[in-house]
Amino acid sequence: KNEVEQSPQNLTAQEGEFITINCSYSVGISALHWLQQHPGGGIVSLFMLSSGKKKHGRLIATINIQEKHSSLHITASHPRDSAVYICAESGGGADGLTFGKGTHLIIQP
Amino acid sequence: EPEVTQTPSHQVTQMGQEVILRCVPISNHLYFYWYRQILGQKVEFLVSFYNNEISEKSEIFDDQFSVERPDGSNFTLKIRSTKLEDSAMYFCASGGLAGGYNEQFFGPGTRLTVL
Repeated sequence: KNEVEQSPQNLTAQEGEFITINCSYSVGISALHWLQQHPGGGIVSLFMLSSGKKKHGRLIATINIQEKHSSLHITASHPRDSAVYICAESGGGADGLTFGKGTHLIIQP
Repeated sequence: EPEVTQTPSHQVTQMGQEVILRCVPISNHLYFYWYRQILGQKVEFLVSFYNNEISEKSEIFDDQFSVERPDGSNFTLKIRSTKLEDSAMYFCASGGLAGGYNEQFFGPGTRLTVL
């Protein structure tokens, strides 16, 4: 069974800072997911990637398959980015996601 | 934009009672999932459903749980005899592509409180 570890668990930063959240997993995967969970509880998919790098607005996700490591970056962070960011892996198809514990991010104005 | 919906948003029940949580996945999706999140803990996979049958289930998904897609649009999770430890947020998700890697789209969740 794959273990998904995230760091840091908690991160507080000032508005405008560049944010990096890390994720590592123990065995080979098919796809790595980054998700966002807001205080109300809803979960939103940000990225799904199996190699390389993806960018959406101020968010960038990268994955290194050999090192079993992925990072989520936020450029020019804003208080509205405050949320829990969760890394999860899956084997594709009907496989369920295996979630990390999440990184609780607070961006202060 | 299509979205996954779930009802009710909050369900309170007595221990030992049966509950049914309902989900309407995105209409052209093929894969359906249930997850739960106990307060303060990480999200856990319960079950996936494809081609009208269970595809994968976790060890949490024991005999007290069942899933159904009764009418081609709804996707339900039934808990037969609720326990205090079933109190959690339950999320439904759906994914579109046959085979391959599925991005999963989550509903807003149902908060289940067992008293």
